[in-house]
Amino acid sequence: DTAVSQTPKYLVTQMGNDKSIKCEQNLGHDTMYWYKQDSKKFLKIMFSYNNKELIINETVPNRFSPKSPDKAHLNLHINSLELGDSAVYFCASSQEHGLAGGFRFSYEQYFGPGTRLTVT
Amino acid sequence: AQRVTQPEKLLSVFKGAPVELKCNYSYSGSPELFWYVQYSRQRLQLLLRHISRESIKGFTADLNKGETSFHLKKPFAQEEDSAMYYCALSGNSGGSNYKLTFGKGTLLTVNP
Repeated sequence: DTAVSQTPKYLVTQMGNDKSIKCEQNLGHDTMYWYKQDSKKFLKIMFSYNNKELIINETVPNRFSPKSPDKAHLNLHINSLELGDSAVYFCASSQEHGLAGGFRFSYEQYFGPGTRLTVT
Repeated sequence: AQRVTQPEKLLSVFKGAPVELKCNYSYSGSPELFWYVQYSRQRLQLLLRHISRESIKGFTADLNKGETSFHLKKPFAQEEDSAMYYCALSGNSGGSNYKLTFGKGTLLTVNP
């Protein structure tokens, strides 16, 4: 009964190809994210969607295009793959922020298992 | 801008020894801080958050706004604590949307 799932788990492809990674969450969350973890294990946000609407787009090349067909899915399509795209890509989801005593707080993010992309 | 610094890339201790994983942050607003952990062959998961003020698996972390720190501590390390630990800050960098910024992580190894 996986909460956040990603497919494929491993992806090996050649430079110049186009590939997609899929993410699904069954937690009923409104917000989904894509993160990139580089070879030094540095984890950085790429995109965030809330209710199918893009709300965060970090300085990511426009070869990367996220698509959210519904609240439970956030897919990542990458065009013209480059060697530097090799990394582990994590999907995550969370509830939208909460309010307590007039203060905003963030909910826990639930992460997928990651997709290891290798570009040769 | 929001920034999280974990000065130690690697930390090695013996079982039963105290452990402290350092985290410093830079943020102009009121910070919201977390520790996430990734055990071997498992997915990244939340360990604890500063607003909860609770101890999880024997770990505690106190937000020190004066020193802009959120160090993670455990008095007696166990072998099963060996993992990658990420400190993270939720902030909006002056905009309307909040994002989680991670430190570069500290790989903790607890030796028998």
